[in-house]
Amino acid sequence: EDKVVQSPLSLVVHEGDTVTLNCSYEVTNFRSLLWYKQEKKAPTFLFMLTSSGIEKKSGRLSSILDKKELFSILNITATQTGDSAVYLCAVEARGSQGNLIFGKGTKLSVKP
Amino acid sequence: DGGITQSPKYLFRKEGQNVTLSCEQNLNHDAMYWYRQDPGQGLRLIYYSQIVNDFQKGDIAEGYSVSREKKESFPLTVTSAQKNPTAFYLCASSIVPEPKNQPQHFGDGTRLSIL
Repeated sequence: EDKVVQSPLSLVVHEGDTVTLNCSYEVTNFRSLLWYKQEKKAPTFLFMLTSSGIEKKSGRLSSILDKKELFSILNITATQTGDSAVYLCAVEARGSQGNLIFGKGTKLSVKP
Repeated sequence: DGGITQSPKYLFRKEGQNVTLSCEQNLNHDAMYWYRQDPGQGLRLIYYSQIVNDFQKGDIAEGYSVSREKKESFPLTVTSAQKNPTAFYLCASSIVPEPKNQPQHFGDGTRLSIL
């Protein structure tokens, strides 16, 4: 059965800290891995990863995929209180018509 | 502005009642999806549609129904057969994913509670 496992499930840090969120997956015929940030309502898209070893970066956030070891990490440097959210990892398989398999999310709390 | 609009934001259902959640998008996306999110859980797929007048069941379709009469609209009905409907419902859309590889974009959700 296809599955996505995120760790840790929750994390509390202080402003300025660097955090690493983990996502491991088991999926037949992998196509892509996506990261979303969910604050109160709609998950907002962060990154889509399809190739191993190529880092995607947006400001203080970055992510990388390892297709051999079947995992991805999301790094956030110099965290701010506005980074507090649930971070969702999802995986898409080829031939799945775009359907995503989601992990349970990591709840990040950044304290001032 | 282009986007996905879900309504209402909050909805209350009485026992034995069917309720319909609205999802409208003006992004010209072909594919639309409905997910359910429970506390501490990831999103689970209820139904999806790649084209007008066609849709498929997701992982947890029992107790739900959908229609896709227009490209812009994908309403979800929570029927009385769904015994545990209290959850946060999210609608998403994307460009048809094969062969393109584009992310899904989400609406702001509808929170459904039982009275």
